[in-house]
Amino acid sequence: QSVLTQPPSVSAAPGQKVSISCSGSSSNIGNSYVSWYQQLPGTAPKLLIYDNNERPSGIPDRFSGSKSGTSATLGITGLQTGDEADYYCGTWDSSLSAVVFGGGTKLTVL
Amino acid sequence: QVSLRESGPALVKPTQTLTLTCTFSGFSLTTSRMCVSWIRQPPGKALEWLARIDWDGDTYYSTSLRTRLSISRDTSKNQVVLTMTNMDPVDTATYYCARTKFVSGSTYSDYWGQGTLVTVSS
Repeated sequence: QSVLTQPPSVSAAPGQKVSISCSGSSSNIGNSYVSWYQQLPGTAPKLLIYDNNERPSGIPDRFSGSKSGTSATLGITGLQTGDEADYYCGTWDSSLSAVVFGGGTKLTVL
Repeated sequence: QVSLRESGPALVKPTQTLTLTCTFSGFSLTTSRMCVSWIRQPPGKALEWLARIDWDGDTYYSTSLRTRLSISRDTSKNQVVLTMTNMDPVDTATYYCARTKFVSGSTYSDYWGQGTLVTVSS
């Protein structure tokens, strides 16, 4: 059971937009920044978004992040088949003094 | 450029102690905000954060695994070592090390190693 809650799966057609939610509590998302990771099949996770809405160099602006209260959202526009992957949210939990991850969301581009 | 590589045994027996080494380059673990984390992923399952060591030597551990984990660093060799005692088959997973940045309220891992699969079996 993950501390952060994500939907197990989402799907959308190529070219469409999808949102992936990440729900937490006041001890984690509520008072810390959220990061998002993309894990393509058989590869290591890759940082997509940090500090709620910042993109590392090289990440296209099709990927965006937002946070409100104790929830965060990853948005992906202009979906491509290459976006099919597992997506994870993560943040610092001040009560646990530890990083916590969501259970991951599998994105299918139909 | 930044790179990290995990090394260690691919197979360990139940009750044994696992020792994994993360060898990194392209950054210094003594630079402010720089940290190295260990994260694992059982086959077909989610990421699980294990431990982190910071630029100032502070260490943090997963609450559920705290009693079994130890993280240390050798700054002269650019290495971080994770030990996990009393291994069990449920600890079978791919273990990743990652460069992590941390400042109050903000933590994220921007570079990851390729991971090393550790199987626990007799």
